[in-house]
Amino acid sequence: GAVVSQHPSRVICKSGTSVKIECRSLDFQATTMFWYRQFPKQSLMLMATSNEGSKATYEQGVEKDKFLINHASLTLSTLTVTSAHPEDSSFYICSALAPGGRNEKLFFGSGTQLSVL
Amino acid sequence: LAKTTQPISMDSYEGQEVNITCSHNNIATNDYITWYQQFPSQGPRFIIQGYKTKVTNEVASLFIPADRKSSTLSLPRVSLSDTAVYYCLVGDGITGGGNKLTFGTGTQLKVEL
Repeated sequence: GAVVSQHPSRVICKSGTSVKIECRSLDFQATTMFWYRQFPKQSLMLMATSNEGSKATYEQGVEKDKFLINHASLTLSTLTVTSAHPEDSSFYICSALAPGGRNEKLFFGSGTQLSVL
Repeated sequence: LAKTTQPISMDSYEGQEVNITCSHNNIATNDYITWYQQFPSQGPRFIIQGYKTKVTNEVASLFIPADRKSSTLSLPRVSLSDTAVYYCLVGDGITGGGNKLTFGTGTQLKVEL
């Protein structure tokens, strides 16, 4: 299957700092990537849809100024958590939509565990 | 959006066949059904995808009745390493009707010796 690389896998930061998470599709071009967050023992919650060359589409309740998304190329999307606070601590996961007509498949990164002290 | 309903949890023993059913009563004509597996602290992994009838690959089978209002993921002869959360997703990505692939609660499968 297609490979999506997410980095870093774990980050610990102080409150007030910004953290950037990278998501790369290694063997296919992804015009669309998605960012999720997941709290312990809960399902994935879609945060935003990242479209190459255009602004991201955020889900209701997700602060776009807090979670900056950049999709500058067909293989890279980044999520920056600005001025992180302890409540932003979570597992962040990206996914990329592999082209394939109507039955596109999502391929996921390995996730980033963010801990804000 | 096509909402999915799955059992919260299931228990099984090694060597048994496990069937996890997902309900998606308002599935749209263009929607595909996709199942993912997730281990703790990892991203979900694609298992199988289908549109109708039966699909089989090297790890699982997917049964979809004619009305497509439900689907069943079948895992043959499970092992301890199959302990994970299994998600059923319904949608067609962002093309067509613009549906998003939204995760439901998932099913926590626990396999014991």
